[in-house]
Amino acid sequence: KNEVEQSPQNLTAQEGEFITINCSYSVGISALHWLQQHPGGGIVSLFMLSSGKKKHGRLIATINIQEKHSSLHITASHPRDSAVYICAEIGSNYKLTFGKGTLLTVNP
Amino acid sequence: SAVISQKPSRDICQRGTSLTIQCQVDSQVTMMFWYRQQPGQSLTLIATANQGSEATYESGFVIDKFPISRPNLTFSTLTVSNMSPEDSSIYLCSVEQGSYGYTFGSGTRLTVV
Repeated sequence: KNEVEQSPQNLTAQEGEFITINCSYSVGISALHWLQQHPGGGIVSLFMLSSGKKKHGRLIATINIQEKHSSLHITASHPRDSAVYICAEIGSNYKLTFGKGTLLTVNP
Repeated sequence: SAVISQKPSRDICQRGTSLTIQCQVDSQVTMMFWYRQQPGQSLTLIATANQGSEATYESGFVIDKFPISRPNLTFSTLTVSNMSPEDSSIYLCSVEQGSYGYTFGSGTRLTVV
C-alpha cells in the first residue's frame, strides 16, 4: 500500500523564519508533487520533481529518491504563505497519493 | 499549463437530492481525475475519467452514487447522487499534463443538510 507521511502536521512561525516541511513515501515513484491549498479549498501546484532540487522564488523543493524523502523549504516566510502544504506521490496510471498536509501559519 | 473552471464553487443541498459539478478545461487533456476531500482529511481519488471510455472508479466509490460524464477532451461532470450529510466535502477535478504536472480546479465546497 502506498503511504505518504508528512511532518509536521501543524507549524506556526514568525514572519521571516525559514520553514521546512518533510515528506516520506513508501514505494518507488515516478515523481513527487508539492501542492498548496488555501482556506477556500483551491489547490495550486508548486513543484513536480523526480530528482535533485527545484527553486521558485522563496520556495525550494528537494527530493532524495534513495531515501524516499522530500522537503519543501520556504525562505523569509510571510503571512501570505499561510496555507496547507500537501505532498503527493505520482504512482502507476498517473494516480496521486496524497499526504495529510501540513497546516502552516505565519504570524506577522 | 491548463486552466480549469470548476462550478459551482459551493452549494448547500438538501439530503436526497443530487448535485452536478462541472469542470471546463481551456485545452484538450486526456486524463481527468475527480477527488473528494472530507473535512480535516486528505484528498481521495474518486475516479479517473478518460474521454471515450467509462470512468474507472476507486475502491469504495460506485457509478450509481458518483456518475461521471466525459463527453470531450475539455469537459467533465461529476454528479453526487442521493446526497446525505456524509457527502459534505470539497470536490475537486484535476488534469494531468505531462511535464507540466497536475492542475486542479478551484474546488466545490458541498454542504448537505
